[in-house]
Amino acid sequence: GAGVSQTPSNKVTEKGKYVELRCDPISGHTALYWYRQSLGQGPEFLIYFQGTGAADDSGLPNDRFFAVRPEGSVSTLKIQRTERGDSAVYLCASSPRGGDVQYFGPGTRLTVT
Amino acid sequence: GQQLNQSPQSMFIQEGEDVSMNCTSSSIFNTWLWYKQEPGEGPVLLIALYKAGELTSNGRLTAQFGITRKDSFLNISASIPSDVGIYFCASHYGGSQGNLIFGKGTKLSVKP
Repeated sequence: GAGVSQTPSNKVTEKGKYVELRCDPISGHTALYWYRQSLGQGPEFLIYFQGTGAADDSGLPNDRFFAVRPEGSVSTLKIQRTERGDSAVYLCASSPRGGDVQYFGPGTRLTVT
Repeated sequence: GQQLNQSPQSMFIQEGEDVSMNCTSSSIFNTWLWYKQEPGEGPVLLIALYKAGELTSNGRLTAQFGITRKDSFLNISASIPSDVGIYFCASHYGGSQGNLIFGKGTKLSVKP
């Protein structure tokens, strides 16, 4: 079946702009995760949803970052007032339940100029 | 805080050689996961380890969960060009069900 999909695959934006990154998890997976990966680093946890609610948002770096999953399926990561330091690959993963194996999407490469 | 230290940082090997990489921490973990990431893709799970001392194989890959629960290694036997990629160890952070912590990765290059 289809894996985790993320759109767009690439996003270039100017400093100060607002961006939205979308994640479509594997159908039926109740758990969804967002990670950020900078060049030469491993993925870094941002937020974890169980159903519609954020079960753990301890990785969000500041209040410019926000994520929603209103119907328990698709999720959107929202970044306000983007900064050059936000440039990274944003990865989404899903799993059947929290704690299960996480399946990653291909990521969205965000570049802030 | 909790941190996973991977070594080596990179490896350049000849096709057919065996490869060994490891992951260590000063903290105890209850799971060890090994992922592979290729350019433009997300990480893909290779092997999951859940018990101290556990040794698990997946084809040419073998991984072990250290008995101290502070380390793990991954071996690849008879490497082939498609083994090229970055290998990450990971584990659950702070007991959370959702939050994975990753090492910085070992970049593997294979010469045909």
